[in-house]
Amino acid sequence: QKEVEQNSGPLSVPEGAIASLNCTYSDRGSQSFFWYRQYSGKSPELIMFIYSNGDKEDGRFTAQLNKASQYVSLLIRDSQPSDSATYLCAVKFGTASKLTFGTGTRLQVTL
Amino acid sequence: GAVVSQHPSRVICKSGTSVKIECRSLDFQATTMFWYRQFPKQSLMLMATSNEGSKATYEQGVEKDKFLINHASLTLSTLTVTSAHPEDSSFYICSAATSGGSTDTQYFGPGTRLTVL
Repeated sequence: QKEVEQNSGPLSVPEGAIASLNCTYSDRGSQSFFWYRQYSGKSPELIMFIYSNGDKEDGRFTAQLNKASQYVSLLIRDSQPSDSATYLCAVKFGTASKLTFGTGTRLQVTL
Repeated sequence: GAVVSQHPSRVICKSGTSVKIECRSLDFQATTMFWYRQFPKQSLMLMATSNEGSKATYEQGVEKDKFLINHASLTLSTLTVTSAHPEDSSFYICSAATSGGSTDTQYFGPGTRLTVL
C-alpha cells in the first residue's frame, strides 16, 4: 500500500525561526513530490514541487528531496505568524496522475 | 495563472435532495480533474479522477451512482451528490491538472461546504 507519512504536530516555532517539516513515503519509484499549505477551513494551496534529489528554493521556502532515504522536507525560513497552517505533503507514485496525501503537519508560529 | 473556481462555495440542503457542484479551470485547459472530500480535522480523501470526455475513475468505497461526475469540457467538471444525507455533509474540493501526467501539478479550487439537514 502506497503511504505518505507526516508528524501531525503541532510544530511550534518562534517568529523568525526556521520551521522544518518532514515527510516520508513508501514507494521508492515515486517521481513527483508536492507541498501544499492549508489554512483552517480553506482548500490546499500549492507551495512548491520537487522532482530531483537535492534542494529547491523559492523565496523563504526550501524543499529537500532524498530519494534514497525516501523523505522529502520543507524548510520555512524567517517564519511568520501568517505561516501558521497545516502543511500537506503529497506524492505521485510511479506514473499515476493522482496525489497521495499525508495527514499533514500543523505549524504554529508564535510571537 | 492556474486558477480554479468552484460554485457554490457553500450549500445547505434537505435530506434526499441532489446537489450539483461546479469546478472550473479559469486560465488553463484541464485534461484531468480530481474530486476530494475532507471531513473536519481529517486529511483529504480522493473520491474520483475524471478525464475530459471519458468516465470518471472512482476510488474504492466511493459510490459512483451517488456521486455523479461529468467532465464535459476541458474547463468544467461537475459533481452531483444525489439523494444527499446528513453523513454526506463535508467539504468538497476539486483540483485540476493540465495533463494528468506524473510531473503535472494539481491546482485546487476553493472548496464547497455542503451541509445536509
